[in-house]
Amino acid sequence: DGGITQSPKYLFRKEGQNVTLSCEQNLNHDAMYWYRQDPGQGLRLIYYSQIVNDFQKGDIAEGYSVSREKKESFPLTVTSAQKNPTAFYLCASSIDVTSGTYNEQFFGPGTRLTVL
Amino acid sequence: QKEVEQNSGPLSVPEGAIASLNCTYSDRGSQSFFWYRQYSGKSPELIMSIYSNGDKEDGRFTAQLNKASQYVSLLIRDSQPSDSATYLCAVEYGNKLVFGAGTILRVKS
Repeated sequence: DGGITQSPKYLFRKEGQNVTLSCEQNLNHDAMYWYRQDPGQGLRLIYYSQIVNDFQKGDIAEGYSVSREKKESFPLTVTSAQKNPTAFYLCASSIDVTSGTYNEQFFGPGTRLTVL
Repeated sequence: QKEVEQNSGPLSVPEGAIASLNCTYSDRGSQSFFWYRQYSGKSPELIMSIYSNGDKEDGRFTAQLNKASQYVSLLIRDSQPSDSATYLCAVEYGNKLVFGAGTILRVKS
């Protein structure tokens, strides 16, 4: 089955810890994205990557880091510098956004992070 | 600042009625518009995309786009209790999407 997987589904972090959220896709999509969703709010873009070994900051990148070493994978690290990390984290992917094709994004199931 | 505005609701409609969800956006240059459905505790699911002025129909869903007035809407005909969810409007700005906060829809049987 083609799709986007995220793990873990639930994650608990202690103050001062870094944690890494996994995102994998087998859709052969070029672009991948990380969003954060807080209760009652829309999705806010953290980081995105259009090609391997390249990524750009979104609107709320502070306290987060990413890597894109493989086309299929785009892990997100929530560092201890992120002051309020409790949220629902969503990974998405889309077909090449640089060729003029439309930017339909498809989402993984999400990871719910809670800081203890 | 690119903005996408939606009425947070909740919008309550009886089963079988038409639900009308609206969205306005700030950038006249936007070309692509999307509606996502999100059930409580789940991730967003793409249900409609629209790129040209006018209407686009897919089953019980119709998306309407008016670029001159900078609004996009979603109509759900014959609403069912299973349509109860939060509907997110998303607008493409360059190579990114900006999402509205969503409208909660409740369909009462």
